[in-house]
Amino acid sequence: AQSVTQLDSQVPVFEEAPVELRCNYSSSVSVYLFWYVQYPNQGLQLLLKYLSGSTLVKGINGFEAEFNKSQTSFHLRKPSVHISDTAEYFCAVTYTNAGKSTFGDGTTLTVKP
Amino acid sequence: GAGVSQSPSNKVTEKGKDVELRCDPISGHTALYWYRQSLGQGLEFLIYFQGNSAPDKSGLPSDRFSAERTGGSVSTLTIQRTQQEDSAVYLCASSLASTVYGYTFGSGTRLTVV
Repeated sequence: AQSVTQLDSQVPVFEEAPVELRCNYSSSVSVYLFWYVQYPNQGLQLLLKYLSGSTLVKGINGFEAEFNKSQTSFHLRKPSVHISDTAEYFCAVTYTNAGKSTFGDGTTLTVKP
Repeated sequence: GAGVSQSPSNKVTEKGKDVELRCDPISGHTALYWYRQSLGQGLEFLIYFQGNSAPDKSGLPSDRFSAERTGGSVSTLTIQRTQQEDSAVYLCASSLASTVYGYTFGSGTRLTVV
């Protein structure tokens, strides 16, 4: 069965510090991986995705994520966060031929001044 | 429209009543998804429509839940005999052809069953 684990439910960081939000998924031969962001009082929007090719993918707002097949991980990183990055972040995986994505429980990133 | 539109944005209903939630996907998007987001939890898959194919209903939690998609566009999620545990935000998303394009989400319908 498809499953996605976001290892941290809450991540507090200070402004301009680096951040990593961790995501692991259950093993499979082929997957598509996504990160979505939900800003306060807004809908979810796509941050970045990995389909194939280079394992390092870049998204909007300076975020990037690295696909690691051997560790079945897709961690999200940003070298220097801003207050405006405060939001909930969801990792999602689609197992090819499944047709739909399975989401993790979300990680709340709080950036403090 | 430019985005995925959901209505109503908020719905309060009495236990035992039926409710209908509506989703207007982005024009030209053939895939449409319904998810449920309960407080402090992730997104729970409910149902998925792709073109003219039979929908994937594997996530519907009980036979009180049903959904249809008319004309390959608008979708309605119906919950019969609502229960308090149905209280959640119901999210609709659409995608150009399949999930590889990523989802565009609507703003959701917050359902409260009292």
